[in-house]
Amino acid sequence: SQQGEEDPQALSIQEGENATMNCSYKTSINNLQWYRQNSGRGLVHLILIRSNEREKHSGRLRVTLDTSKKSSSLLITASRAADTASYFCATAYNTGKLIFGQGTTLQVKP
Amino acid sequence: DTEVTQTPKHLVMGMTNKKSLKCEQHMGHRAMYWYKQKAKKPPELMFVYSYEKLSINESVPSRFSPECPNSSLLNLHLHALQPEDSALYLCASSQAFRGQGIGANEKLLFGSGTQLSVL
Repeated sequence: SQQGEEDPQALSIQEGENATMNCSYKTSINNLQWYRQNSGRGLVHLILIRSNEREKHSGRLRVTLDTSKKSSSLLITASRAADTASYFCATAYNTGKLIFGQGTTLQVKP
Repeated sequence: DTEVTQTPKHLVMGMTNKKSLKCEQHMGHRAMYWYKQKAKKPPELMFVYSYEKLSINESVPSRFSPECPNSSLLNLHLHALQPEDSALYLCASSQAFRGQGIGANEKLLFGSGTQLSVL
């Protein structure tokens, strides 16, 4: 299976703290993406990093990619209660598939 | 219009029923996807259409039948489902590169899903 792993499975922090979640995958990718999902509804695209990039920023989000270790991390800085959601990494392949990791459930306490 | 629209939002059906899920986008995307998501699990890829042709079927049981009648519409026909098929069904779209899969800058845009319950 190409499905990746994410850790931690669950994360609980206070508002204002930073949240870091990690993702690992198994085979060569075209890009790696992070999505957010609230209450089991649709997925919202957060950020995409290409396989030839090492770091990318978007607002309070910072994503890194280490292709030698086949791993990525997502950092959310200065978290807010509204950031409470499930976060999934997803790896895109030249086969046309986008495969999701197991996800991290983030709770930000006010 | 920058949305993927899925209907219905909720569906309850019996095991002998026939129903259809619908997905629509008007962004000119030529790749469309069906995912299935069980509670507290990641989305699982079911089907991918590229330029209205089925390009990926992830060994999905034949009781699920996809259809792409034109570049804006994607249907999922359901027949003789089992209770374990109860899940959130998500549609997505993206730009398509003919025969080259998901490109380096390509992201998927998801609809809000259909919550399906099979009784």
